Amino acid sequence: AQSVAQPEDQVNVAEGNPLTVKCTYSVSGNPYLFWYVQYPNRGLQFLLKYITGDNLVKGSYGFEAEFNKSQTSFHLKKPSALVSDSALYFCAVRAGGGADGLTFGKGTHLIIQP
Amino acid sequence: DGGITQSPKYLFRKEGQNVTLSCEQNLNHDAMYWYRQDPGQGLRLIYYSQIVNDFQKGDIAEGYSVSREKKESFPLTVTSAQKNPTAFYLCASSTNVGGAEAFFGQGTRLTVV
Repeated sequence: AQSVAQPEDQVNVAEGNPLTVKCTYSVSGNPYLFWYVQYPNRGLQFLLKYITGDNLVKGSYGFEAEFNKSQTSFHLKKPSALVSDSALYFCAVRAGGGADGLTFGKGTHLIIQP
Repeated sequence: DGGITQSPKYLFRKEGQNVTLSCEQNLNHDAMYWYRQDPGQGLRLIYYSQIVNDFQKGDIAEGYSVSREKKESFPLTVTSAQKNPTAFYLCASSTNVGGAEAFFGQGTRLTVV
């Protein structure tokens, strides 16, 4: 069975500072890893994904994530946080192969303080 | 305007009633999914379908049913057997490739009154 852990329920960062939202995963075989963002009472928006290749993946709105196979991690990062980045962030994993459903973490609330 | 549409946005149901949530996509995606979101629990997979006329149970299928008669449509019925149906329901679609990202609808908030 596959699983995702987001160890922090909430992350607080001052505007302009770098941010990191942590994610670790467990899956058999090669993973496909995803980050999504959710604003209140809305659906999820795709930010970025790792399939293969370069371990540093760049995505929407200046976000990036680093795949670390030895640590089974896929942390989300941004060099300079904006107040508008405040939202709920989800990490998700799928084992390589077909389009089975994604397994999501429980989410991390990111709060950017002005 | 391409995308995935869920309706209604808010739904109220009396205990003991079945209710059907609509999900339509015009992205020509083969795969469609239903997730349930509860506070602090993330998203949990209810059912998914990778092709018309076929679907698979997810992690929490009990008390739910689906159909996939058309590629564009994947309705979810919440039956009276679902013990705690109040939640936010999200529909998604993707191509049938493992590395493909899923596109989500705006969700339906179901409340049992």
